[in-house]
Formats: sequence, structure tokens, C-alpha cells
Amino acid sequence: KNQVEQSPQSLIILEGKNCTLQCNYTVSPFSNLRWYKQDTGRGPVSLTIMTFSENTKSNGRYTATLDADTKQSSLHITASQLSDSASYICVVSARWTSGTYKYIFGTGTRLKVLA
Amino acid sequence: NAGVTQTPKFQVLKTGQSMTLQCAQDMNHEYMSWYRQDPGMGLRLIHYSVGAGITDQGEVPNGYNVSRSTTEDFPLRLLSAAPSQTSVYFCASSPYTGGTQYFGPGTRLLVL
Repeated sequence: KNQVEQSPQSLIILEGKNCTLQCNYTVSPFSNLRWYKQDTGRGPVSLTIMTFSENTKSNGRYTATLDADTKQSSLHITASQLSDSASYICVVSARWTSGTYKYIFGTGTRLKVLA
Repeated sequence: NAGVTQTPKFQVLKTGQSMTLQCAQDMNHEYMSWYRQDPGMGLRLIHYSVGAGITDQGEVPNGYNVSRSTTEDFPLRLLSAAPSQTSVYFCASSPYTGGTQYFGPGTRLLVL
């Protein structure tokens, strides 16, 4: 069964600290993995996209890693800011035989950054 | 570009009522989809469309209808609202299937 599991469910850190969010997946056939940020009351916004051959990708203070062998990804946030408070969702896409793609969503990690 | 827009932002319905959630995008994207987001669960796909005139069911289609008469618009119809349909609904679009999805701001629906 295609699944995406994220940990921790929630996390509280102090402003300026770093943190790492985890995503484990059992999706086949794997196409790509995305991390989205969802602010409260808003729709998700894409942060990064990683394909099978990519190990690391950065977007400002966000760095995503992918280990396709162990089917694990992480999102590292450096020097956190209050505006980083949000839910972070891992989404893995798989290609169907029909040629369309299926997106499998994790339940997200809720991050709270305190001043 | 307005991106993906959704109306209304919030709606209260009584059981058995019908309504249409509107979704529009101005990016000329072929792929559009509707999701619902419930506490403790990942986004679940209701219906999707790979282009004008083409729609298909997602994983939770029961109780919902869609149509895609133009590239820009992808309305979601609730036929007879039930309390189990209380949720936050997101519309998304992407330039092609498998591409990065752009989400609307969501519609919060409460069914009493």
C-alpha cells in the first residue's frame, strides 16, 4: 500500500534554532517527492521537489534530503523564524500505468516557533 | 496572476442541501483537482481533471460531482450535504499531471 509517514507530528522550538522533519514513504513506482508548507488557514505552498537522482536540494533556509534506497526524506530548517510556524507536508508522486500521476500526502508535521 | 481562487471561503449548510464550490485558475494549467483536508489525515483526492471535458474520480468521490467545461474552471458540487462532508476543501492546479500543484486558499464547509 502506498503510504507516506511523517514524524514528529508536532514540534516546538525556539526562534533561531534548527530542526529536522522526517518523511518515510512506501510508494511505488516513485516519481518525485515534494515538501509543502501550509500556513494556518491557507493552502499548501511548494518548497522543494526532488527526483530519484537528487540527494539534496535547498531553498533558502530550507534543505531537503532524499535517500531513495531507504525511502526516507528530511527537511532541515536552519535558524528558524517565527514565520516558519506552519504545517509541513511531504508528498510523494507515483506514476500510474495510465500515464497519470498519483500524489500521496503525509499527514504533516506541525511546527511552532517561539520567540 | 491571481493563481488559484476559490469561493466561498466559508459556508454553512444544513443536511440535505446542495451547493457548488467554485475554483478557477488563470495559469492555463491542464491538471486540476479537488481535495478535502480533515484533522489527522493527509489531503485526500476527491476528483481530478487532466483537461477540459475530462474528469475522473479520486479516492473519496462519493457525494461529489465535478465538471470541466473550460480550462480555467473546475467546480465541485455537493449533491446532498451530509455532516461527514464537514471539512476544508482545497482546489489545486498544475501544468501537467505529476507537476507541482498550486493550491487555492480553501473553502471551510460546515454541515449541520
